[in-house]
Amino acid sequence: LAKTTQPISMDSYEGQEVNITCSHNNIATNDYITWYQQFPSQGPRFIIQGYKTKVTNEVASLFIPADRKSSTLSLPRVSLSDTAVYYCLVALTPGGYNKLIFGAGTRLAVHP
Amino acid sequence: GAGVSQSPSNKVTEKGKDVELRCDPISGHTALYWYRQSLGQGLEFLIYFQGNSAPDKSGLPSDRFSAERTGGSVSTLTIQRTQQEDSAVYLCASSQGLAVTYEQYFGPGTRLTVT
Repeated sequence: LAKTTQPISMDSYEGQEVNITCSHNNIATNDYITWYQQFPSQGPRFIIQGYKTKVTNEVASLFIPADRKSSTLSLPRVSLSDTAVYYCLVALTPGGYNKLIFGAGTRLAVHP
Repeated sequence: GAGVSQSPSNKVTEKGKDVELRCDPISGHTALYWYRQSLGQGLEFLIYFQGNSAPDKSGLPSDRFSAERTGGSVSTLTIQRTQQEDSAVYLCASSQGLAVTYEQYFGPGTRLTVT
């Protein structure tokens, strides 16, 4: 199993860029790296997914180095509403199915 | 269109009772997943369904837990003889398919409290 390790918590201020790094040393060749966001009393919500190099969407960017043993989620110019728990996941692909293993996540607190 | 819905939103039950939790996935989604989230913890995979294939039950914590999916749509998670350690938020998710590139859409969850 590809276990992920990420900081337990982070603090930032409105307007700053936030980078959350996740390590996944045992990532397998077919594994994708996926990030989810969870607000209190809600289910997680997909943010971004990537396999290698860089992926960008309207919400975030995901940077994955060549060895794929880590990845960094970048949130540009955070606001108070970005306060949430962020989960880094390495999707298990035995048989090709999408079985997500969630870790403890990173609690991001954005301050005024 | 509507997202994933779950009912009830909250359930309080006495130890030893059976409970049923319901999940209505997004229409057309063939894959359906159940997770459990204990207070302050990450999500724990329980079971998934894909179309008419046999479900992957590898995450079910004990034989008191079972789930079914009727007609490839609605799913019910049943916990028999509930224990206090079963108290958690039970989350359901659905996706267009099992391929890892399909994102999972989560429902709001059912908060189960066993007294």
